[in-house]
Amino acid sequence: DGGITQSPKYLFRKEGQNVTLSCEQNLNHDAMYWYRQDPGQGLRLIYYSQIVNDFQKGDIAEGYSVSREKKESFPLTVTSAQKNPTAFYLCASSTRRGSLQETQYFGPGTRLLVL
Amino acid sequence: RKEVEQDPGPFNVPEGATVAFNCTYSNSASQSFFWYRQDCRKEPKLLMSVYSSGNEDGRFTAQLNRASQYISLLIRDSKLSDSATYLCVVRPTDSWGKLQFGAGTQVVVTP
Repeated sequence: DGGITQSPKYLFRKEGQNVTLSCEQNLNHDAMYWYRQDPGQGLRLIYYSQIVNDFQKGDIAEGYSVSREKKESFPLTVTSAQKNPTAFYLCASSTRRGSLQETQYFGPGTRLLVL
Repeated sequence: RKEVEQDPGPFNVPEGATVAFNCTYSNSASQSFFWYRQDCRKEPKLLMSVYSSGNEDGRFTAQLNRASQYISLLIRDSKLSDSATYLCVVRPTDSWGKLQFGAGTQVVVTP
């Protein structure tokens, strides 16, 4: 089955710790995205990548880092600099055809909690 | 002002009834519009794209009003399984791939 997988489903972070969230897709999509969802707010874009070895900051990139070494993988690291990391993190992907109707498909998400 | 605004609800709907709700967007140049459905503690899933002429998919109808900068979603013959949060999503023309998400409208269908 084609799709997007994220792991772990739940992640606990201690103060001062860096943690990495995994995102893998086998849809052969060029573009991948990381969003953060907080209660009562819309999804906010953290980072996105349109092609391997290239990525751009989204609207709330501070305290986060990413890499895109393989087309299938786009891991997100939440660093200790992110002071309020508790949220639902969603990874998405899309083809890079440039169509206005091109849509994004989401993985099941990772819930990050601070201990 | 938020770029995409939605009434958070909840809209409590008896099973079999019709419910409709809107979403307003601030960027008049926006070209692409979508409705996503999100179940509690799950990921958003595409419900339908919204075309300029309006479109229908079974019990769901989406409309776009460019003059007033809003899109609407109407659900007919509501089912218990329609209970979810509906996210309005807009793509600005100057930001390929970068979608703007509303916070969602919660719909609760009751027996």
